[in-house]
Amino acid sequence: GAGVSQTPSNKVTEKGKYVELRCDPISGHTALYWYRQSLGQGPEFLIYFQGTGAADDSGLPNDRFFAVRPEGSVSTLKIQRTERGDSAVYLCASSLTTGTTEAFFGQGTRLTVV
Amino acid sequence: RKEVEQDPGPFNVPEGATVAFNCTYSNSASQSFFWYRQDCRKEPKLLMSVYSSGNEDGRFTAQLNRASQYISLLIRDSKLSDSATYLCVARSFNDYKLSFGAGTTVTVRA
Repeated sequence: GAGVSQTPSNKVTEKGKYVELRCDPISGHTALYWYRQSLGQGPEFLIYFQGTGAADDSGLPNDRFFAVRPEGSVSTLKIQRTERGDSAVYLCASSLTTGTTEAFFGQGTRLTVV
Repeated sequence: RKEVEQDPGPFNVPEGATVAFNCTYSNSASQSFFWYRQDCRKEPKLLMSVYSSGNEDGRFTAQLNRASQYISLLIRDSKLSDSATYLCVARSFNDYKLSFGAGTTVTVRA
């Protein structure tokens, strides 16, 4: 398919473990976003990439969270020493350029920390 | 205070009814507004942009009131398939972040 692809779709991990969540944006989209959505809430901004660089990481909750996009395409969100409060759906979105109206979302990775 | 606030609902309406709901935004620098639709356990999808003069897309009408800083969505002739959570979204001028409300749940019953 031509949409935003996120893997895995579900991840269960033990408290304290390290996890990586992958996002494959729509081909040619230079802007990539990570959001986090908890039950009953709207998506909450985490980090934004324009090309390879993180243009804004102000939404990352603390230094256990880190994201990369080394070649300007696929991005990986990394969470160290996971906590139960990290449990949420992690959504990736991409858009053609910065400021383009429509951001297309992937189906998300449901992370459960037990 | 959240940047975008919405009435969570739920709004339970019969098929064919009209349903309307609002959201308010606190950042006066917000320039672009959108309604996204999110089905249960699915990703958000753009429903429509909201223009200053108000705009219509089929059975959906969006309005923007900058003076009072609120946005509305009206759904006419509701269909069962309109059952979803509707997310109000704002973006500031020259910004890229989308600020989402918590969503308004609409359930259309037969």
